[in-house]
Amino acid sequence: AAGVIQSPRHLIKEKRETATLKCYPIPRHDTVYWYQQGPGQDPQFLISFYEKMQSDKGSIPDRFSAQQFSDYHSELNMSSLELGDSALYFCASSRPFQGSFPDTQYFGPGTRLTVL
Amino acid sequence: AQSVTQLDSQVPVFEEAPVELRCNYSSSVSVYLFWYVQYPNQGLQLLLKYLSGSTLVKGINGFEAEFNKSQTSFHLRKPSVHISDTAEYFCAVKKANAGGTSYGKLTFGQGTILTVHP
Repeated sequence: AAGVIQSPRHLIKEKRETATLKCYPIPRHDTVYWYQQGPGQDPQFLISFYEKMQSDKGSIPDRFSAQQFSDYHSELNMSSLELGDSALYFCASSRPFQGSFPDTQYFGPGTRLTVL
Repeated sequence: AQSVTQLDSQVPVFEEAPVELRCNYSSSVSVYLFWYVQYPNQGLQLLLKYLSGSTLVKGINGFEAEFNKSQTSFHLRKPSVHISDTAEYFCAVKKANAGGTSYGKLTFGQGTILTVHP
């Protein structure tokens, strides 16, 4: 079965540089979530999109922005990178709401960002 | 807001022994509950979820969890573990929207590293 695709899988950047992380959800999934997992930390919610509109916002720095495109893929843009931005960035997707309960979030393998 | 506490940061066990990974949550509203597993250098994989109904939920790889509303707990259990179960396990909650919408962030616990020894 198709899974969530994230690219790149690894990224090394210098301080103050910019980075763009991409997420391709499972086909027919309309909701995308971004999470940040620092070393030894639990995943922290950053932002989510539903039908190309921002649906929720968590602890995302102002230096970061994200969007969801017409084909439902999403990009997380990170500027003025800091050492503390080094983390594993996960994207998750879920399918359109059906019935009374939410659907499962399926996670991608993550992008490991290292800021030097 | 919701919060999740995983009471054990590390749990070492021997192969074929039973294991319980503890999870407590706090929320002023109804929540849905999940357990995810993360193998080294991999993404998060859903083990099981509780949405409603029977409080005993069975998941993949022989894991099960029991939702206890009065104790606000959702402990994960396996009667006999294998070496391949060595991984980090995350308990997570999601607010149960009154409208039943699909979207909603997950709030994770701090994770429990399960190490299975031969």
